[in-house]
Amino acid sequence: SQKIEQNSEALNIQEGKTATLTCNYTNYSPAYLQWYRQDPGRGPVFLLLIRENEKEKRKERLKVTFDTTLKQSLFHITASQPADSATYLCALKGTGGFKTIFGAGTRLFVKA
Amino acid sequence: DGGITQSPKYLFRKEGQNVTLSCEQNLNHDAMYWYRQDPGQGLRLIYYSQIVNDFQKGDIAEGYSVSREKKESFPLTVTSAQKNPTAFYLCASSNNLRDPRYEQYFGPGTRLTVT
Repeated sequence: SQKIEQNSEALNIQEGKTATLTCNYTNYSPAYLQWYRQDPGRGPVFLLLIRENEKEKRKERLKVTFDTTLKQSLFHITASQPADSATYLCALKGTGGFKTIFGAGTRLFVKA
Repeated sequence: DGGITQSPKYLFRKEGQNVTLSCEQNLNHDAMYWYRQDPGQGLRLIYYSQIVNDFQKGDIAEGYSVSREKKESFPLTVTSAQKNPTAFYLCASSNNLRDPRYEQYFGPGTRLTVT
């Protein structure tokens, strides 16, 4: 069955460093990969989308890579700030499909 | 402000009672979704709707029901048949159900506790 794996252990980093979160998937060939941010007790908020034929996408301090050979996406936050502390969800969607598959998310803590 | 509203934020019910969770959007989106979120698990799809008066079961529809009488509204009823209803429920919408370029917009969620 289709499966998405995100590191279940929280990631703790110091302010100013680069945070790198990993999303691995199996038994799926997604056309698009999305990243969302979720704060405690709130709904997820969309951050970035990357297509299967794109290697890298950037938006301000955010960078996403998508390696369809490794079946992996990396999500980077450069110059991290305490306000970046949240859970980050990876989501996959195929072409023509209706369902978006979400990972369980990785909790990020940025210490001042 | 455009967005999705869910009410109430917190809901407490006794076992055996049905309960309805509200979801309203003013984004003019065609597609709407209901997800359930449990600790340590990804979002699981309960029901989805592509257009008014049409909806389909997701992966975990048993014990739930929905209606889509208006484009803006997609209420979810958690029935007494749902074995483990305590969870965080999220409603979402998107421009198009099948076009993967469109992201989903989520509401603030309803935390349901059944005792």
